[in-house]
Amino acid sequence: GAVVSQHPSWVICKSGTSVKIECRSLDFQATTMFWYRQFPKQSLMLMATSNEGSKATYEQGVEKDKFLINHASLTLSTLTVTSAHPEDSSFYICSARDAIGSTYGYTFGSGTRLTVV
Amino acid sequence: QKEVEQDPGPLSVPEGAIVSLNCTYSNSAFQYFMWYRQYSRKGPELLMYTYSSGNKEDGRFTAQVDKSSKYISLFIRDSQPSDSATYLCAMRHSGNTPLVFGKGTRLSVIA
Repeated sequence: GAVVSQHPSWVICKSGTSVKIECRSLDFQATTMFWYRQFPKQSLMLMATSNEGSKATYEQGVEKDKFLINHASLTLSTLTVTSAHPEDSSFYICSARDAIGSTYGYTFGSGTRLTVV
Repeated sequence: QKEVEQDPGPLSVPEGAIVSLNCTYSNSAFQYFMWYRQYSRKGPELLMYTYSSGNKEDGRFTAQVDKSSKYISLFIRDSQPSDSATYLCAMRHSGNTPLVFGKGTRLSVIA
């Protein structure tokens, strides 16, 4: 089945630094990637939608200059948290839909737990 | 009112019990309905997928969608301790649209 590999699985960084999270679709081409954030005991909240080769679309309240998304190829999307602050500490998850437009539920990465100290 | 409402639980049942998980939603334009299972500190794993109203069965799992009532359910028969996880309902419109999730229900199956 479809697999999305997400790295790193966890990261600790200092306030003010930047962190890059990668998501790769291993056995399919992902024309669209969705990035979610999940706080403890909360549901997944959509941050942005990225389409290969074009600018990401951000949800209301999500700072596009803080959460940089790049989707330069059909198999790789990255989320960079710039100038991270403790309130950015969260669980970040990507999900992908394949290029043929499967109607099934999307495939999720394993998530990245970010802790900003 | 949130688009998707789901009782967060926690729900604790004995091994072998039938588990019923439910979600309600407000947007009648949703067409695709899914249930995901999420273990702690892991990404969601797709369990069941249904399109429009109806039932779908897969092993011990049955998903039901009632679009007229805007209500979806997941039943787990003969529950096992390994079923202990958070169950998230999700739904979306047609086209290349993101999933909208419920809050998730934490389930514990006690041996």
